[in-house]
Amino acid sequence: DTAVSQTPKYLVTQMGNDKSIKCEQNLGHDTMYWYKQDSKKFLKIMFSYNNKELIINETVPNRFSPKSPDKAHLNLHINSLELGDSAVYFCASSRRGAYEQYFGPGTRLTVT
Amino acid sequence: GEDVEQSLFLSVREGDSSVINCTYTDSSSTYLYWYKQEPGAGLQLLTYIFSNMDMKQDQRLTVLLNKKDKHLSLRIADTQTGDSAIYFCAESNDYKLSFGAGTTVTVRA
Repeated sequence: DTAVSQTPKYLVTQMGNDKSIKCEQNLGHDTMYWYKQDSKKFLKIMFSYNNKELIINETVPNRFSPKSPDKAHLNLHINSLELGDSAVYFCASSRRGAYEQYFGPGTRLTVT
Repeated sequence: GEDVEQSLFLSVREGDSSVINCTYTDSSSTYLYWYKQEPGAGLQLLTYIFSNMDMKQDQRLTVLLNKKDKHLSLRIADTQTGDSAIYFCAESNDYKLSFGAGTTVTVRA
């Protein structure tokens, strides 16, 4: 069974569109995260939720909105997509405290 | 990013040892980690060390921590072709992980 899964794996879309990426974990973890990895492989945290509550919100444009319907899911919705949003987005989960984070396989977003 | 620094590339011959170095700035980091990313895949936690430890060994992996200099290293003994990947150093403070830019390790025959 996949521990942390993301859909879709690839997403190609045009500028100005709105898209969502879904993430689910079956590890029973309380905390979930979204990371962005740019073309230079630099990885930066965007958001973190603990028990459906937002606990980390880095400097991310408000076009990005995370939504956590329950503690096993953390979806990322992006409005008005821009070329600079092209990246690989990783979801992760952990028990409380970032002791050990488990990463999903990533979603490669390409904005044309 | 800027809080965690690593060299970007390392080339090593198969069978030799690899040493990847990392420096960090946050002295309050509780854990320090090494993650591995193979092409097209997510990050896999290789090992971690608690900030009050100096060394941790796990099979072919040895982690050394110099807390005074804020320096972390990962040694891979008997490097194999399957070790070719990007290795990320990371520090954590409560919920947040801060990553280095990653070191691309290439293993040559």
